[in-house]
Amino acid sequence: DVKVTQSSRYLVKRTGEKVFLECVQDMDHENMFWYRQDPGLGLRLIYFSYDVKMKEKGDIPEGYSVSREKKERFSLILESASTNQTSMYLCASRITDSGANVLTFGAGSRLTVL
Amino acid sequence: SQQGEEDPQALSIQEGENATMNCSYKTSINNLQWYRQNSGRGLVHLILIRSNEREKHSGRLRVTLDTSKKSSSLLITASRAADTASYFCATAPATALIFGKGTTLSVSS
Repeated sequence: DVKVTQSSRYLVKRTGEKVFLECVQDMDHENMFWYRQDPGLGLRLIYFSYDVKMKEKGDIPEGYSVSREKKERFSLILESASTNQTSMYLCASRITDSGANVLTFGAGSRLTVL
Repeated sequence: SQQGEEDPQALSIQEGENATMNCSYKTSINNLQWYRQNSGRGLVHLILIRSNEREKHSGRLRVTLDTSKKSSSLLITASRAADTASYFCATAPATALIFGKGTTLSVSS
């Protein structure tokens, strides 16, 4: 069964801390995505990656960076966490030429910044 | 940015009833997808309908697409308590999928 694994389901961090959210997929997918989900706002795209060492900004990249050193791993980094980054973070992956853009999601990482 | 918009925002029904959710979008599409999210979990792909299709079935799910009206509907027949979840439509104007804000469905027994 194919999987996208987000290593941390729940995190509590303090304002100003550096936060790493890790995502690993075992499907050999080229494309990987980070979304955040907030009540009333739905899912918003933060960053995505076409392939190793490639990244593109999504709709709300401010305050975030990403790293894709290996094909299976896509990390989201909050350089200096702020309370407005308290949210549910969802990682997803997709094979490049599926012709259908179907995403496989991880279970999510709920981050609370105090 | 462009996104689908689901309607209604929330829907409460009894087990055995049908549930219908609607999605409107803004630009031309190649396909439209529906996803489901159980509380506190990630999204799961349910069904995809291509722009040249008008209706598609998968088990108790029926999806319709009207490209002239830029709208889609998801029908869940004979709902069960386990169908309680949020449902999202998604379109892809470019590489990344854009999601609507979702319809929260509650099915009571």
